[in-house]
Amino acid sequence: GEDVEQSLFLSVREGDSSVINCTYTDSSSTYLYWYKQEPGAGLQLLTYIFSNMDMKQDQRLTVLLNKKDKHLSLRIADTQTGDSAIYFCAESRGGLTGGGNKLTFGTGTQLKVEL
Amino acid sequence: DTEVTQTPKHLVMGMTNKKSLKCEQHMGHRAMYWYKQKAKKPPELMFVYSYEKLSINESVPSRFSPECPNSSLLNLHLHALQPEDSALYLCASSQDATDTQYFGPGTRLTVL
Repeated sequence: GEDVEQSLFLSVREGDSSVINCTYTDSSSTYLYWYKQEPGAGLQLLTYIFSNMDMKQDQRLTVLLNKKDKHLSLRIADTQTGDSAIYFCAESRGGLTGGGNKLTFGTGTQLKVEL
Repeated sequence: DTEVTQTPKHLVMGMTNKKSLKCEQHMGHRAMYWYKQKAKKPPELMFVYSYEKLSINESVPSRFSPECPNSSLLNLHLHALQPEDSALYLCASSQDATDTQYFGPGTRLTVL
């Protein structure tokens, strides 16, 4: 199947950690991505992880990948009001025959950071 | 520099109009993409160009016509659209077949 699932909403207090989860079904995924989308804006690449890794840390962001359970998570440390946005996970299954690659996006998680 | 630019930022058009959306990147990327995104939903792939040739058309209606005049530019020509085509249209590019996609800010299209 091609479904990539995320919970719809997450609300946290400023300064707490946020954990956004994503489950996917295709074990042939090569790269997994996290994108952030603020209202009215495009998608901003936050980070990505190659499928043979299980963790990647980049400043306040930590990505964990459990290939056995097909589970991906994004942890944001010290969450700020500027982190309020929709977060999409996406998986890439490699190059297309004619060129380019196809991303399958998750349903998106709306993160709300409260003071 | 990982910038993809799109113009216009907003576009309002009638169902009988012809308009074009433009996308540009100067990162030397050889694959470019058009996506359609409805509110609160994930982007849906429309077209993929690789080395200036159309490689994927995700069964998009012919009222949307893509064009890749050179390796830095991607256009989307619009004609006889329907109100349900109102959405955010996103352009993206990637270095090559397996590389990360970088998105532009999008064009907010409203069809009256």
